[in-house]
Order: sequence, then structure tokens, then C-alpha cells
Amino acid sequence: DGGITQSPKYLFRKEGQNVTLSCEQNLNHDAMYWYRQDPGQGLRLIYYSQIVNDFQKGDIAEGYSVSREKKESFPLTVTSAQKNPTAFYLCASTPLRALNPRNTGELFFGEGSRLTVL
Amino acid sequence: GNSVTQMEGPVTLSEEAFLTINCTYTATGYPSLFWYVQYPGEGLQLLLKATKADDKGSNKGFEATYRKETTSFHLEKGSVQVSDSAVYFCALSVGRASGGSYIPTFGRGTSLIVHP
Repeated sequence: DGGITQSPKYLFRKEGQNVTLSCEQNLNHDAMYWYRQDPGQGLRLIYYSQIVNDFQKGDIAEGYSVSREKKESFPLTVTSAQKNPTAFYLCASTPLRALNPRNTGELFFGEGSRLTVL
Repeated sequence: GNSVTQMEGPVTLSEEAFLTINCTYTATGYPSLFWYVQYPGEGLQLLLKATKADDKGSNKGFEATYRKETTSFHLEKGSVQVSDSAVYFCALSVGRASGGSYIPTFGRGTSLIVHP
């Protein structure tokens, strides 16, 4: 079955360490997104990518980095510069409208990764 | 810019009660509107959507009608079940003229708790 796989589901990190969250999709979607979710704050966009080797900052990109070397993969690195990294991280994808005119902008989400800084 | 406002929760109901979760939006262009549901510890799933004015989206007994005149997309269900307990997000997407990616806008989410 097609879908989005995030790993790990739970991750613990010591302060000062970088960690990388994996996001892989086999839906053949061009656009991929990373969101951060905190209680009571909804979803906040960290980064998004429309095509391979291209990505754009979202609303809260500071302290995070991404890469898009393959269409299927969009890993997120939470760096030591992120002051409050404990959160639930969600990856999502959707087809590009130019390549799929029937797309209405629906996002397909992974199961999420919960990062806790000790 | 685009924005979505939905009622704050938690909304607490007894089983078989009627549910309404209000959602209003502001957007440039002609947005598609969505309701997503998030069960504890999971990602979001699409619950229903509507792509143009007066469209009604429906799924699993939930309904919402795209009201352009009131810029609203309220979620309703006639008889809730304990299994409906989750967080519900209202969202919109506006396609860019260039055909590029959507940047969806989400509301803050409304927690629904249904008691037996």
C-alpha cells in the first residue's frame, strides 16, 4: 500500500545533540512538508519542498535543516540550535497541481515522530 | 494572508449527542476546504473535503458545507460515538497560479471527548 513512513516513532535526545527524523513516501508525490505540533498550537510549518534539490523555509525554520536528494525522501534534522525541540513532528506530501490538475491540495500525513529532549 | 479560525475545545459530549464544530476562514482566491481528524498518538487523516461553494463533504456520518457567503465550513454529526473522540482540524488550500505546491493553512484544532 502507498503511504508515508516516518521513523523513529519515539526519539530521545540529550541537549546539544543533532537528531534526524526520517520521512519516506511511495505515493509519487512531488511536494513534501514538515510540521511541528505542540499542545494547543495546531500545526506549524517548518520546511517544504516542491521538487528534488529544492526546499523553502516555513514559519519556524530556525534550528532545523532539511534535504531533498530523492523524490521519495525528505529528512528533517533538528539541530542543537533549536531551543525547544521537544514536540511531535509530522511529515506530509501532496502532488504538485501543475502535474496533477485534479489535486485539490489534500495532504497525506505520516504517523508522526515524538522527540523528547532530556 | 489566509487564516482559519475554529472553536476552542475541548468539546465534551455524551454518546449519541449532536456535534457542531465551527470553522470560519479568510482566503485570497478560491480555496478548497478540509476537515482532518487526529487520533491520539497518530498523524492526521482526511475526514472530508469540499472544493467549491455549496459543496457538501461527508464521510463516516460527518458533514460540512462550503458556505462562501459566510466563509464557513462547520463540521456536524448527528449522533457521536465514543470512537469519535479525537482532535479535529479545519484547513484550507489555495492553488497557486503557477501550478506549484499548495501551502495549506490549518486551524488550531478542536479536541472532542465523547463519554459513554
